[in-house]
Amino acid sequence: DTAVSQTPKYLVTQMGNDKSIKCEQNLGHDTMYWYKQDSKKFLKIMFSYNNKELIINETVPNRFSPKSPDKAHLNLHINSLELGDSAVYFCASRRREGTEAFFGQGTRLTVV
Amino acid sequence: AQSVAQPEDQVNVAEGNPLTVKCTYSVSGNPYLFWYVQYPNRGLQFLLKYITGDNLVKGSYGFEAEFNKSQTSFHLKKPSALVSDSALYFCAVTTEGRGATNKLIFGTGTLLAVQP
Repeated sequence: DTAVSQTPKYLVTQMGNDKSIKCEQNLGHDTMYWYKQDSKKFLKIMFSYNNKELIINETVPNRFSPKSPDKAHLNLHINSLELGDSAVYFCASRRREGTEAFFGQGTRLTVV
Repeated sequence: AQSVAQPEDQVNVAEGNPLTVKCTYSVSGNPYLFWYVQYPNRGLQFLLKYITGDNLVKGSYGFEAEFNKSQTSFHLKKPSALVSDSALYFCAVTTEGRGATNKLIFGTGTLLAVQP
């Protein structure tokens, strides 16, 4: 069973569209994250939720909105997509402080 | 603010030789330190972590790392490199206890290339 799963794996869309990426973890973890990996492979934290509560919101445009319907899911909705949003988006989860995070396989978003 | 630095974009090593991938960190409070590896078109895989205790920690695939508090470093090492170790390696840090932000911050990554 996949511990952290993201869908879709690939997403190609036009500028101005709205899209969502879904993430689910079956590990019973309390904390979930979204990271953005750009073309230079830099990993930047975007959001973090703990027990469905938003606890980290980095300087991310308002077009990005996370939603956590329950502890096992953290979805990412992006409005009015721009070319600069093209990247690989990773979801991750971890149980608590001091434990390692588990990552999904990533969603490669390409905006054309 | 917490941060992680990986000063080398790329490390080249011959198969069978020892390898070191460098990482330094800056945090307020006690650090939790991690190493991850990313193979092409894959997610990040956990290698090892330092939380407390012995400064030398051992992890997956024969990797180890040494925590040095005075130098604020957590370098990744392996006694004998394999071609299959070639990948992108990330160091990460978070903090614990009162005032912890729960942020897991990553360094910029170091590409390890092991030549046969």
